[in-house]
Amino acid sequence: QKEVEQDPGPLSVPEGAIVSLNCTYSNSAFQYFMWYRQYSRKGPELLMYTYSSGNKEDGRFTAQVDKSSKYISLFIRDSQPSDSATYLCAMKEGDSWGKLQFGAGTQVVVTP
Amino acid sequence: DVKVTQSSRYLVKRTGEKVFLECVQDMDHENMFWYRQDPGLGLRLIYFSYDVKMKEKGDIPEGYSVSREKKERFSLILESASTNQTSMYLCASSLRLGLETQYFGPGTRLLVL
Repeated sequence: QKEVEQDPGPLSVPEGAIVSLNCTYSNSAFQYFMWYRQYSRKGPELLMYTYSSGNKEDGRFTAQVDKSSKYISLFIRDSQPSDSATYLCAMKEGDSWGKLQFGAGTQVVVTP
Repeated sequence: DVKVTQSSRYLVKRTGEKVFLECVQDMDHENMFWYRQDPGLGLRLIYFSYDVKMKEKGDIPEGYSVSREKKERFSLILESASTNQTSMYLCASSLRLGLETQYFGPGTRLLVL
């Protein structure tokens, strides 16, 4: 069983809709949670970063962490065609060095 | 802006060839990483380096080696390429260990025939 599970999609939504993405994990030691966005033929870029539980908002993006359920989410409001990309979750244990564990990524397609 | 560059976007090699993938970062980051990305498997860490001439194995180091002779440059070496090493290779860097933000290069898509 993978430490981080993520539905690969594709997830297709109309422009303006809310995109809801999530990852589940099994390692209760994870404390740092990240979302990366990867456009086709490009490297991933950091989108959101959260420590421990709670919500974080940045413009149209909201990241949520529920450590009790071992579940993290990313919401994209008012989705745009430019949001079409693969979204990868990543997480890390709380010690000084802990490598990132990535989900497989969810492909999102926002149709005009 | 942090910039991580990779020497090639696409490479085609034959089985048994020695392959060099180069990565350069321009932000004086201490740490550099090599991942491979395969459909359904996500990113898997091959090797990382936290200082010049220092390296640590990741999850899948078999068949690979690395070299870091200068702080800004991290090379991945496939000693004898095999078809199962056909993949997207991504290099990343981060300021120092304990900071989780990794900055990625554009990737090298390697095809081994």
